[in-house]
Amino acid sequence: IAGITQAPTSQILAAGRRMTLRCTQDMRHNAMYWYRQDLGLGLRLIHYSNTAGTTGKGEVPDGYSVSRANTDDFPLTLASAVPSQTSVYFCASSDGGGVNYGYTFGSGTRLTVV
Amino acid sequence: AQKVTQAQTEISVVEKEDVTLDCVYETRDTTYYLFWYKQPPSGELVFLIRRNSFDEQNEISGRYSWNFQKSTSSFNFTITASQVVDSAVYFCALRGDSGSARQLTFGSGTQLTVLP
Repeated sequence: IAGITQAPTSQILAAGRRMTLRCTQDMRHNAMYWYRQDLGLGLRLIHYSNTAGTTGKGEVPDGYSVSRANTDDFPLTLASAVPSQTSVYFCASSDGGGVNYGYTFGSGTRLTVV
Repeated sequence: AQKVTQAQTEISVVEKEDVTLDCVYETRDTTYYLFWYKQPPSGELVFLIRRNSFDEQNEISGRYSWNFQKSTSSFNFTITASQVVDSAVYFCALRGDSGSARQLTFGSGTQLTVLP
């Protein structure tokens, strides 16, 4: 089934540890995104990539890094996790900038930093 | 910067009641796109609708309808004859057409609870 696969589904992480959240899509969408969802704040954009080889910062990029080596994969790395990074993380992709065909979201990664 | 405001944090209704979820947006772009997503208790985000700024026609899909008014910068969502399965968090979102506004910006969401 075409879509986005995120891994892991959930994770408990010790503060200070490094963690990479994985995101893979099989729709050949040009653009990919990482959002974090926090209660009362909705979804906020962390980083995005309009095409393979390029990335950009969203609203809340601090403490996170991304790479886009190919079209399908868009990993999100927390170099040194802090408790404020406890959140649900959603990866998304779009074709045509989301205008023509909207956005497809993964099922999320629930991350708890202790 | 663009912004989406969903002033209703939580709404509770009894099954079969109609309910309207409000969405007010801010953007400097003349071309923009508005979205509604549903997030049921299972957590996934379900796409409901996308509207373009140059198309103010209201839309109806079954029990769902959307009222887009550029004059008040609002894109409200009405569920007619609500059902328990409609219980979810609903997000309104905006995508502009220039610079950083070309990213999808979400409102804070409205938690809808439909009681049997």
